[in-house]
Amino acid sequence: NAGVTQTPKFQVLKTGQSMTLQCAQDMNHNSMYWYRQDPGMGLRLIYYSASEGTTDKGEVPNGYNVSRLNKREFSLRLESAAPSQTSVYFCASSVGTDSDTQYFGPGTRLTVL
Amino acid sequence: AQSVTQLGSHVSVSEGALVLLRCNYSSSVPPYLFWYVQYPNQGLQLLLKYTTGATLVKGINGFEAEFKKSETSFHLTKPSAHMSDAAEYFCAVSGGTGRRALTFGSGTRLQVQP
Repeated sequence: NAGVTQTPKFQVLKTGQSMTLQCAQDMNHNSMYWYRQDPGMGLRLIYYSASEGTTDKGEVPNGYNVSRLNKREFSLRLESAAPSQTSVYFCASSVGTDSDTQYFGPGTRLTVL
Repeated sequence: AQSVTQLGSHVSVSEGALVLLRCNYSSSVPPYLFWYVQYPNQGLQLLLKYTTGATLVKGINGFEAEFKKSETSFHLTKPSAHMSDAAEYFCAVSGGTGRRALTFGSGTRLQVQP
């Protein structure tokens, strides 16, 4: 039981390049989330997927797209990376109600030059 | 709208001393409240949460928190700090937004001095 896995762990991009961050969970959870963590700002929600087949914007969606590929996988795409997207990205999953514990992956540290 | 305020971005205590990390929230509906811990270069791990019922909640590693509705607070405490408690701690709130997602505070980094 691996929980929530994320790939890659580290990535360096040049401005304008694109990339996809991958996330998978093996807990049969309905809901999945992408957050970004910046110093002094806690974690902010980028996008979430309440259930398979649905996605919605969070607090900071600009510059990102997501795909809920199936119940297990939820990917985050940067179409044209900008230095402001330098951050640590965390994927999380939960059963799917407000009171549920969210389980977090180990994170992807992204640097955009 | 929901928000979380964590007072003190850095807290330093001596080993064996009381740990008190402060969290105040704002929510238009009865909130669900969480404390997560993040060790260096790792993801977040749940310490404890309040959903309903008893307002004093016990978590892992000897931590506990008390939900005080009148003060809109959910402070985290531990009677005796251990070196292994050094980490960053995040308070979070959910409920009522329809997003089923968490709104986080900015975090408090706890240092434990020998």
